[in-house]
Amino acid sequence: EIVLTQSPTTMAASPGEKVTLTCRASSSVSYMHWYQQRSGASPKLWIYETSKLASGVPNRFSGSGSGTSYSLTINSMETEDAATYYCQQGSSYPLTFGSGTKLEIK
Amino acid sequence: QVQLKESGPGLVQPSQTLSLTCTVSGFSLTSYHVHWVRQPPGKGLEWMGVMWSDGDTSYNSALKSRLSISRDTSKSQVFLKMSSLQTEDTATYYCARERRDYFDYWGQGVMVTVSS
Repeated sequence: EIVLTQSPTTMAASPGEKVTLTCRASSSVSYMHWYQQRSGASPKLWIYETSKLASGVPNRFSGSGSGTSYSLTINSMETEDAATYYCQQGSSYPLTFGSGTKLEIK
Repeated sequence: QVQLKESGPGLVQPSQTLSLTCTVSGFSLTSYHVHWVRQPPGKGLEWMGVMWSDGDTSYNSALKSRLSISRDTSKSQVFLKMSSLQTEDTATYYCARERRDYFDYWGQGVMVTVSS
């Protein structure tokens, strides 16, 4: 099973601040996918295949990485970006998710 | 448009069997794979299993002995049955559509509490 480790677990950012969330895989994966989950809501596809933004995702978000190290970056934090972000690998079964990064607004 | 909606009991007694239904619209079960994912309160996401578009299934080995996924394509429904429920199975259960190994659409989820 591929274990995904996200860091940090929790963080707070000020409006306008640049934010980087990381996801490390225990084995190399082909792509990483990211989901945003707001409190009380279902996860939403946010970034797929490492760097492609899902429909409706603002272009202040970006994704990058390869092998075992991936990241999600917000160029300039906005209030609406406060949520929990999960990474997910689809390279091998069982599919696995990271434990999430809770991003709060300062 | 694409929609998935889970339904089932909100409360299940310990040792009993959970039965959930995922009703989909806007796509065909014979063209897309549908997965089940659960999330305990305040915790992360756990992949449970998948109904492949060809009707085959795969399960998380941690749950395999207790889990069964089936479907009725005529009703556009995917079913989850999990036996021998314990309090640790208390969670929100989601069904989600797969597109090229990621989940592009999710249901609203159904909260299931295991308690006597």
